[in-house]
Amino acid sequence: DVKVTQSSRYLVKRTGEKVFLECVQDMDHENMFWYRQDPGLGLRLIYFSYDVKMKEKGDIPEGYSVSREKKERFSLILESASTNQTSMYLCASSLLGVSGNTIYFGEGSWLTVV
Amino acid sequence: AQKITQTQPGMFVQEKEAVTLDCTYDTSDQSYGLFWYKQPSSGEMIFLIYQGSYDEQNATEGRYSLNFQKARKSANLVISASQLGDSAMYFCAMREGLGTSYDKVIFGPGTSLSVIP
Repeated sequence: DVKVTQSSRYLVKRTGEKVFLECVQDMDHENMFWYRQDPGLGLRLIYFSYDVKMKEKGDIPEGYSVSREKKERFSLILESASTNQTSMYLCASSLLGVSGNTIYFGEGSWLTVV
Repeated sequence: AQKITQTQPGMFVQEKEAVTLDCTYDTSDQSYGLFWYKQPSSGEMIFLIYQGSYDEQNATEGRYSLNFQKARKSANLVISASQLGDSAMYFCAMREGLGTSYDKVIFGPGTSLSVIP
């Protein structure tokens, strides 16, 4: 069974802390994505990556960075967490250049910054 | 600028009736894909239907059909014979930059559908 695994489902962090959200996929996908989901705003793309060590900014990259040292792992980093980063974060992966139903999602990570 | 627009934040439909959820998109790509996903309260993203920009026929999957009007850049989802289990958030999404370093998927703000018994 194909899987995208987000290591932490629920986190509570303090303002100013450095936060790591990890995502691992076992499908040898080239593409990986990080989104945040907020009511009324849908899923907004933060960063995406098409290969190891490659990254591209999405629509809302401010306050975030990413790391992709291995093909299967894509990490989202909040260098100094702020309360406005309280949200649900969703990771996804897909094959590069293959259309159709080829996108797989993790279960989401609920982050609360206090 | 919003590239995916869903103008209906919330919709109600009577059980067994059909409902149309609106989606318009904006892209300069010639090759792109359009998706609809369902997200129940559990939070998982459930794939419903896909339409490629070069597909001439409208996509259908069971009770779901996608009304694709390329010139209008619209990709409305039609759910026939609504069921109580259809109550959920529905997201329209677009994949562009297929096969390039900008291969990405972006989503609209969603429509909350409630099915009334």
